[in-house]
Amino acid sequence: SQTIHQWPATLVQPVGSPLSLECTVEGTSNPNLYWYRQAAGRGLQLLFYSVGIGQISSEVPQNLSASRPQDRQFILSSKKLLLSDSGFYLCAWSTISVNTEAFFGQGTRLTVV
Amino acid sequence: SQQGEEDPQALSIQEGENATMNCSYKTSINNLQWYRQNSGRGLVHLILIRSNEREKHSGRLRVTLDTSKKSSSLLITASRAADTASYFCATDDDTPLVFGKGTRLSVIA
Repeated sequence: SQTIHQWPATLVQPVGSPLSLECTVEGTSNPNLYWYRQAAGRGLQLLFYSVGIGQISSEVPQNLSASRPQDRQFILSSKKLLLSDSGFYLCAWSTISVNTEAFFGQGTRLTVV
Repeated sequence: SQQGEEDPQALSIQEGENATMNCSYKTSINNLQWYRQNSGRGLVHLILIRSNEREKHSGRLRVTLDTSKKSSSLLITASRAADTASYFCATDDDTPLVFGKGTRLSVIA
């Protein structure tokens, strides 16, 4: 069966510090991978998605970046965090075909102080 | 890509009542999906309805799709306190899933 792992669960970082959130998927190959951000009490904002290794599409210009060094690994990074980067970050995967559901990790609560 | 928009933003009902949430979108879709999110957790897929389907059932869930009106509804029958969560619709028009802002459902015991 397929599983998705996302860590850490919570993170408190000072303004200006770097960020690295990791997401890995098991039990499937060549998944579509996604990073979403959810502000408190708000909807999901799509940040990045990837349809293959090294292929990253950005939906929102910001100081975040994403990388996919391996087929089932998706990393969200920042060189210098801003206060506005605080939020709940969710990684998700889906199969490459249309008409399929997405599977979400448990999320990372990031607080930038 | 496009964003579904859920309505109402918040809904509070008594246990045992039915809860109805609506989703509207703007362009043609391949399918529409509904997800649930418990507070502080990831989203969980509830049901997918294809563009050529009009209604779909799963347990206490009933989803309808009206492509002419570009809208969908999610009905939860005989609600329980455990149904308290946020519910999101998501559309996929050959681009990544894009979610609306959700409906926050509170079921009061």
